[in-house]
Amino acid sequence: IAGITQAPTSQILAAGRRMTLRCTQDMRHNAMYWYRQDLGLGLRLIHYSNTAGTTGKGEVPDGYSVSRANTDDFPLTLASAVPSQTSVYFCASSRGQGTRNEQFFGPGTRLTVL
Amino acid sequence: GQQLNQSPQSMFIQEGEDVSMNCTSSSIFNTWLWYKQDPGEGPVLLIALYKAGELTSNGRLTAQFGITRKDSFLNISASIPSDVGIYFCAGQRNSGYALNFGKGTSLLVTP
Repeated sequence: IAGITQAPTSQILAAGRRMTLRCTQDMRHNAMYWYRQDLGLGLRLIHYSNTAGTTGKGEVPDGYSVSRANTDDFPLTLASAVPSQTSVYFCASSRGQGTRNEQFFGPGTRLTVL
Repeated sequence: GQQLNQSPQSMFIQEGEDVSMNCTSSSIFNTWLWYKQDPGEGPVLLIALYKAGELTSNGRLTAQFGITRKDSFLNISASIPSDVGIYFCAGQRNSGYALNFGKGTSLLVTP
């Protein structure tokens, strides 16, 4: 059982370029989340999806977009990357509303925007 | 989102010692979770708490959900070198809502 996979593991990107971070889960979880982790700021929610076909904004959504075409995949897109988006990005999933909603995390993507 | 106040920020202890860390919030949470993160990896769930006053153990780890629902603590007994890492608390107001994370407690254990 893989759980949650993220790709790429790391990436160096020129400012202004478009980038999509991939996230796939095989646990049939309804809800998925994207967080960024920065030193001194902890984990902050970017976007979430409570079920396939729906998405919502988290604490720091600006500059990011997501889609949830199916249960398993939840890609995060940076339309035009800026250096302040240099961070470690974690995807997470949970069973969803109405249940004990523990979130499980992927291994992360380390992104550097120059 | 509501940031949780997690303390201490870091701890440097000797193998065999007990460790205690806590998390407080000005808001009420219905769920408290404790995660551990090793370098270069994602957070791993250690303990989940769902009821005020609940005390739950996972091996050498014990966590409690505060009676006021505004705090939680995590204890690690008889620490070992592999306990090294960053421990995060997370609170959730309602099922289906996003987690609010503390900034983490960095634990170093010397043999």
